[in-house]
Amino acid sequence: EPEVTQTPSHQVTQMGQEVILRCVPISNHLYFYWYRQILGQKVEFLVSFYNNEISEKSEIFDDQFSVERPDGSNFTLKIRSTKLEDSAMYFCASIQGSSGNTIYFGEGSWLTVV
Amino acid sequence: GEDVEQSLFLSVREGDSSVINCTYTDSSSTYLYWYKQEPGAGLQLLTYIFSNMDMKQDQRLTVLLNKKDKHLSLRIADTQTGDSAIYFCAERGGAGSARQLTFGSGTQLTVLP
Repeated sequence: EPEVTQTPSHQVTQMGQEVILRCVPISNHLYFYWYRQILGQKVEFLVSFYNNEISEKSEIFDDQFSVERPDGSNFTLKIRSTKLEDSAMYFCASIQGSSGNTIYFGEGSWLTVV
Repeated sequence: GEDVEQSLFLSVREGDSSVINCTYTDSSSTYLYWYKQEPGAGLQLLTYIFSNMDMKQDQRLTVLLNKKDKHLSLRIADTQTGDSAIYFCAERGGAGSARQLTFGSGTQLTVLP
């Protein structure tokens, strides 16, 4: 079965450092998403991306966050200057098209900010 | 905004059936999903149901949807210890849109031997 892959699986970073989380969505998918899950809390939507631009973003996705599709396969989430409260599991997801019914998630990237 | 609610904990004995409930507020929800998350792991899609269906069965899993009451349930028959995990209900609305999922807070299912 096709899968969304994410790297790194776990990253520890110092507060104030920049972090880039990488995702390879399923190859024929067109819509991409980042979600996050703070330990013990809900999975929260961050941003959706289509046709090389942001489609929607939540209030969590402030100026410290950015997304990019630098080539035909990778989809990245950058946190410019990490804060302690950015510690969370970050999930990438993709879907084939707007009428697709199955959103595939990656295994997640644990980010720990110290 | 949209909201999805679930009870936080459920304990059952191995071999019994588990029923995890979920309510949602968005009347335009078109797809409703159940995801399973084991400790430290990602989100595994278990099943989903389209809003014009009342029921969907997939092996040990049965999903029931009451659209009028905006109530969704997941029944796991013959629950096993390997079913112990957090189960998330999620909804997605807007026909023809790639709108994001809204998740519930998750139900921690504990299966006792």
